[in-house]
Amino acid sequence: EVQLVESGGGLVQPGGSLRLSCAASGFTFSSYEMNWVRQAPGKGLEWVSYISSSGSTIYYADSVKGRFTISRDNAKNSLYLQMNSLRAEDTAVYYCARGVDGGSGLYYFDYWGQGTLVTVSS
Amino acid sequence: AIRMTQSPSSLSASTGDRVTITCRASQGISSYLAWYQQKPGKAPKLLIYAASTLQSGVPSRFSGSGSGTDFTLTISCLQSEDFATYYCQQYYSYPPTFGGGTKVEIK
Repeated sequence: EVQLVESGGGLVQPGGSLRLSCAASGFTFSSYEMNWVRQAPGKGLEWVSYISSSGSTIYYADSVKGRFTISRDNAKNSLYLQMNSLRAEDTAVYYCARGVDGGSGLYYFDYWGQGTLVTVSS
Repeated sequence: AIRMTQSPSSLSASTGDRVTITCRASQGISSYLAWYQQKPGKAPKLLIYAASTLQSGVPSRFSGSGSGTDFTLTISCLQSEDFATYYCQQYYSYPPTFGGGTKVEIK
């Protein structure tokens, strides 16, 4: 059974940092592209970042570029999101999501974790 | 970025009703569209990809159609477990973008 379990969320002050983790199991992690998707309270879904299966290709949403860093450790079946210079508008539930190649060079998301809440507030 | 617009933003329906949700892309996306269901406090669940292909394990009362800029998600006979919020997502070009969601509520 595919499982994605996020951790690392919490309350952080504006300008602070946080590192999210996503532990994967039930599939060959090193064979899949991974993503972070977030959802602000009461709002819709926003894609945040993508990393290829090898980690060699990375993309970010403009809203987080230069502040967030995605990475992975295939030996540990883990995905990470380092978040720096956090802002109030980064407050959201952050989901890790497995990507499936949709044939266009982009991905849809077939499995999601349960999410971890990040709150940026003083 | 491609803008995805869903309508309606919410609807009220009864068990057994046929429900249709529309998603419109700001430019053509071929059939590179997915639909998700999200229940309160839970992660989204993939229902349909490639505009009309049902994800494994999803009930056949769900169906999707469309290509280019206009897409629909249809629930043929609404069940109690279908009351949720539904999102479309394009994966034609970066960044992948989602519609604003359609909340299906009990009438």
